[in-house]
Amino acid sequence: AQSVTQLGSHVSVSEGALVLLRCNYSSSVPPYLFWYVQYPNQGLQLLLKYTSAATLVKGINGFEAEFKKSETSFHLTKPSAHMSDAAEYFCAVSEAGGFKTIFGAGTRLFVKA
Amino acid sequence: DTGVSQDPRHKITKRGQNVTFRCDPISEHNRLYWYRQTLGQGPEFLTYFQNEAQLEKSRLLSDRFSAERPKGSFSTLEIQRTEQGDSAMYLCASSPNTESGNTIYFGEGSWLTVV
Repeated sequence: AQSVTQLGSHVSVSEGALVLLRCNYSSSVPPYLFWYVQYPNQGLQLLLKYTSAATLVKGINGFEAEFKKSETSFHLTKPSAHMSDAAEYFCAVSEAGGFKTIFGAGTRLFVKA
Repeated sequence: DTGVSQDPRHKITKRGQNVTFRCDPISEHNRLYWYRQTLGQGPEFLTYFQNEAQLEKSRLLSDRFSAERPKGSFSTLEIQRTEQGDSAMYLCASSPNTESGNTIYFGEGSWLTVV
């Protein structure tokens, strides 16, 4: 069975600081992994996805994530936080050949001026 | 692409009433999904359609919930005899059948408040 664990329900950083949002997954088959962002009262927008090509995946808005099979992790990073990055971030997993995408509980990112 | 469209965006209803939400997926997307999201939680899978066929339903989908996709295009999610615990955002998403990576694209969501 697939599952996703996001470490830390809230993360607070200063503007210009490194953003690191943690995600660990569980999957019995090679996974597809995703990060989505959600702004208040909106749906989820895809930031980036891993589909077994390069292990370092670059996404929109300067975000990137690295797939580490040995650690079953897919952490999201951004070198320099902007105020506009404040939002809820969700890590998700889907099994290759499957159709269901399972989401983590989310991490709310706060950016301080 | 115009994106996934959901209607209404917000619905306030009295307990015991029926409500229906509509979802128009991205054109030519064969797969359509319904998720439910409560405050502070990630989206929870409810059900999945491949064209007009409903292929999986979550145990979260009680018998008061019914979803349809009659012509393989738009979908409706109906909740009968609403309860306060049904208050949540109902998210629709779609994906193309042929794309590798199972990427799903979400609509803006339909907020339901049961009073």
